[in-house]
Amino acid sequence: EAGVAQSPRYKIIEKRQSVAFWCNPISGHATLYWYQQILGQGPKLLIQFQNNGVVDDSQLPKDRFSAERLKGVDSTLKIQPAKLEDSAVYLCASSFGQALAKNIQYFGAGTRLSVL
Amino acid sequence: GNSVTQMEGPVTLSEEAFLTINCTYTATGYPSLFWYVQYPGEGLQLLLKATKADDKGSNKGFEATYRKETTSFHLEKGSVQVSDSAVYFCALRGLGGYNKLIFGAGTRLAVHP
Repeated sequence: EAGVAQSPRYKIIEKRQSVAFWCNPISGHATLYWYQQILGQGPKLLIQFQNNGVVDDSQLPKDRFSAERLKGVDSTLKIQPAKLEDSAVYLCASSFGQALAKNIQYFGAGTRLSVL
Repeated sequence: GNSVTQMEGPVTLSEEAFLTINCTYTATGYPSLFWYVQYPGEGLQLLLKATKADDKGSNKGFEATYRKETTSFHLEKGSVQVSDSAVYFCALRGLGGYNKLIFGAGTRLAVHP
């Protein structure tokens, strides 16, 4: 079974530029998550989708971050414009559902973003 | 709100030593508790979990017991190997909500031959 795929693995940009990350979840997983992991910290949830609808984006900085999952499968996270403090690893995860028995989250390898 | 506190690393051990990584949490009710492991260059992998008080999660020689009275979920292994070198994250999933995980800051483990 293929895991969660993310691209690119690494990205270096200058502040005020824009960047986009792509995620393809495990086949059949309805729930998709984007996390931000700053160096030395644990991952923090940015946004969660159930199929193509957003169920939690309370910690997403909406003035510069956006995400979509138009067909309920793969997803794109965008930052525009980027700030220095956005340097982090962006992790995508997916789960079969949200119910307790199906809620194990499987993570991709992440995209490491450096903003100079 | 919900939070997770882990012991700071790095933890440096010799092969075959006993491992304990402390994790305590703050949450209302009875959250589900998890340990995830992140090997270099890879994503997080679920190591073990416990969903109710006094449950013991175990996998690959690692164990953790859900202690409601001390709000703890300490990770233990009797004999570590070099291949266990990684970053370990404790996490909780609160009641209700949408399966949101709250992570601790992570503890780096380095095992030397």
